[in-house]
Amino acid sequence: LAKTTQPISMDSYEGQEVNITCSHNNIATNDYITWYQQFPSQGPRFIIQGYKTKVTNEVASLFIPADRKSSTLSLPRVSLSDTAVYYCLVGDMSWDYKLSFGAGTTVTVRA
Amino acid sequence: DSGVTQTPKHLITATGQRVTLRCSPRSGDLSVYWYQQSLDQGLQFLIQYYNGEERAKGNILERFSAQQFPDLHSELNLSSLELGDSALYFCASSPAGGAGELFFGEGSRLTVL
Repeated sequence: LAKTTQPISMDSYEGQEVNITCSHNNIATNDYITWYQQFPSQGPRFIIQGYKTKVTNEVASLFIPADRKSSTLSLPRVSLSDTAVYYCLVGDMSWDYKLSFGAGTTVTVRA
Repeated sequence: DSGVTQTPKHLITATGQRVTLRCSPRSGDLSVYWYQQSLDQGLQFLIQYYNGEERAKGNILERFSAQQFPDLHSELNLSSLELGDSALYFCASSPAGGAGELFFGEGSRLTVL
């Protein structure tokens, strides 16, 4: 299983762009990179998933360099409601894959 | 609303007791996952079921057991409860297994006194 490393916490201000980098040096060929967001006392919510290059949706962008050993989740123009824990997961689509969430990155957005 | 329903939302019980947490997955989802989240800890994977069969096991204690029924709902049974079992228990579902998108319920908060 690919181990992931991400910062424990990040602070930002409303309107700024937040970039969270996740390291996954031993990512396997069949692995995808997925990010989840979790608010206090709520279940995590899927944000974005990618395999290589760049993926963008209405919420975020995911940048994956060619070597895929890291990835960066970009949250454009954050607001106070983006204060949450963000998890980076790496894994393949096998049926018995044990999806493990690490400690995540606590992002605090201030006014 | 993720479409995943968990009951009860809150549960308070005493040490040594047994409780059952219930999860109804999204319509059509065959995989159900259980996670435990204690205070200041990340989500710990407990167990996964796919179409009624156990597919993957994580850090699930022997005092805990789970099953998925023919109608695909799942139950997590926690017995001989200890203070340290107090946590949020999340259920998630997905159409299949693996690293595809998981849809989480709102959780069941268990307090053991």
